[in-house]
Amino acid sequence: GAVVSQHPSWVICKSGTSVKIECRSLDFQATTMFWYRQFPKQSLMLMATSNEGSKATYEQGVEKDKFLINHASLTLSTLTVTSAHPEDSSFYICSARGQGGRDNSPLHFGNGTRLTVT
Amino acid sequence: AQSVSQHNHHVILSEAASLELGCNYSYGGTVNLFWYVQYPGQHLQLLLKYFSGDPLVKGIKGFEAEFIKSKFSFNLRKPSVQWSDTAEYFCAVIRGSQGNLIFGKGTKLSVKP
Repeated sequence: GAVVSQHPSWVICKSGTSVKIECRSLDFQATTMFWYRQFPKQSLMLMATSNEGSKATYEQGVEKDKFLINHASLTLSTLTVTSAHPEDSSFYICSARGQGGRDNSPLHFGNGTRLTVT
Repeated sequence: AQSVSQHNHHVILSEAASLELGCNYSYGGTVNLFWYVQYPGQHLQLLLKYFSGDPLVKGIKGFEAEFIKSKFSFNLRKPSVQWSDTAEYFCAVIRGSQGNLIFGKGTKLSVKP
């Protein structure tokens, strides 16, 4: 079946540095990718929706200059947390929908990235 | 390997039929359990969650789920579905208090009016 690979699975970085998280669709072309974050014992929060070749659509309250999303190809979207702070520590997960962007095409999840900022 | 299994890929029901979507996980110990729904054209929404306490959890829109520890299951139920329940449903598990969220592959529900 379709697989979404998210890398790295965990990362520890120092405050002030930037971290890039990759989300790859391995055997299908993903026109739409979603980025979520989750705090402990809370539900997922949608951060942004990215469509290949266009700018990401950010949810209210999400700083687009801090969380840079690039969806340059049909198989890769990246989330860069710039100038990370301890409050950015969280679990980040991506999901991808297949080509055509049809709502009835399957949605696949990456395994997530645990970010810890010290 | 750690996994979350949703048994049904696609379920088709008529309105007013009862719904049960299966979810099993393969971890021992403490787990936190979630059901999410994605309606056409929208992003994921939380239906309900279980952390502790009463294993029968009630969520939004008339959905409920029962945590059966001995069966490693967290099945989603609704007594009477509506056409507006047509969506994709995802079961997810967190192992331990800080573990990562692992999703099942999802079940597409189509409700015929």
